[in-house]
Amino acid sequence: EVQLVESGGGVVEPGGSLRLSCVASGFTFSNYAMTWVRQAPGKGLDWVSITSGSGGTTYNADSVKGRFTISRDNWKNTLYLEMNSLRVEDTAVYYCAKAPSFSSNSYYFDYWGRGALVAVSS
Amino acid sequence: SYVLTQPPSVSVAPGKTASITCGGNNLGSKSVHWYQQRPGQAPVLVIFHDNDRPSGIPERFSGSKSGNTATLIISRVEAGDEADYYCQVWDNSSDHYVFGTGTEVTVL
Repeated sequence: EVQLVESGGGVVEPGGSLRLSCVASGFTFSNYAMTWVRQAPGKGLDWVSITSGSGGTTYNADSVKGRFTISRDNWKNTLYLEMNSLRVEDTAVYYCAKAPSFSSNSYYFDYWGRGALVAVSS
Repeated sequence: SYVLTQPPSVSVAPGKTASITCGGNNLGSKSVHWYQQRPGQAPVLVIFHDNDRPSGIPERFSGSKSGNTATLIISRVEAGDEADYYCQVWDNSSDHYVFGTGTEVTVL
């Protein structure tokens, strides 16, 4: 059974930093691209970033480019999202999700974690 | 940036059919995927590549596409289908994934 468990969320001041983790199990982690999708309170889904199975190719939404960095440790079956220069508008539940193939252009996401809440507030 | 437009809400009586549309420029050349998100829960993939269903998703869920509009169809609607539904595509011109604006389905 595929399981994705996010952690690392919390409250941070504007301009601060936070690192999210997502531990995966139930599949061969290195064979699949992984992504982060966020959802602001009461709002819709907003794609953030994706990394290929090897971590060699990443794509980022324009809203986080230069501030957020996606990475992965295939030995630890763990996906990360390093978030710097956080803004109030980054407040959201952050979901990690699995893509159906190795490539970063994998079209869709077939399994999702339960999410981690990030609140940016002074 | 690429935009996918959905109606904010759809209401349907139990046992009837709900249709949720998703419109976008040149959508006919892209694969459309659909997610269900029940209140307080993570999204679940219900349709991929326009009209394929993942294992475990009831046959009552189907997808179609015509021109620049994709449609998620829920037949014989049940109370448990009450949720937000999002369409999504991969935009290869920007290397971005794009979600639709979301549709709240209410079962009357």
